[in-house]
Amino acid sequence: TQLLEQSPQFLSIQEGENLTVYCNSSSVFSSLQWYRQEPGEGPVLLVTVVTGGEVKKLKRLTFQFGDARKDSSLHITAAQPGDTGLYLCAGGGNTDKLIFGTGTRLQVFP
Amino acid sequence: NAGVTQTPKFRILKIGQSMTLQCAQDMNHNYMYWYRQDPGMGLKLIYYSVGAGITDKGEVPNGYNVSRSTTEDFPLRLELAAPSQTSVYFCASSYLGEGLGYTFGSGTRLTVV
Repeated sequence: TQLLEQSPQFLSIQEGENLTVYCNSSSVFSSLQWYRQEPGEGPVLLVTVVTGGEVKKLKRLTFQFGDARKDSSLHITAAQPGDTGLYLCAGGGNTDKLIFGTGTRLQVFP
Repeated sequence: NAGVTQTPKFRILKIGQSMTLQCAQDMNHNYMYWYRQDPGMGLKLIYYSVGAGITDKGEVPNGYNVSRSTTEDFPLRLELAAPSQTSVYFCASSYLGEGLGYTFGSGTRLTVV
């Protein structure tokens, strides 16, 4: 069974701080996606990475796929209250379906 | 452009009752999925479909059934509701499977009492 463990589980920070969220597995994935979910809503896709070592930037968010395609990280620079939400990583293995991580709940205080 | 529409948004069921959660997408996506999300947790796959007439079990299928008679609709049936089925249910769709990401509905919050 493929598992994706995210850390930390909870993160509470002040506006302007930097943070990194990790997504780790013992399995190799063909693609890794990051989603953000706000209360009462479904997850929304932020990014997809498919190549080992790949780095993608989305404004203040930087996503990296590990060289061995078993792990990923999400770094947020100068966090803002609008970044508050549940961040989910999800791995694809050419099986028609995604395996979702355990989630990281981020709270950014003004 | 509606995307993925789920109904109802909220429902309270008594133990042993049955209900159908509706999911419809208007993006002509072949792949559709049902996930459940327990409080503060990630998503667990219940059932999925790669096209009309084709369904398959996910990680937690017990107590649920699905059908896929059209490309647009993918209803989830709960038979004999149990408290363990209290959760938020999300439907999602994708054009090419997991590679291009999912579009999610806004969820159905179900409480079984």
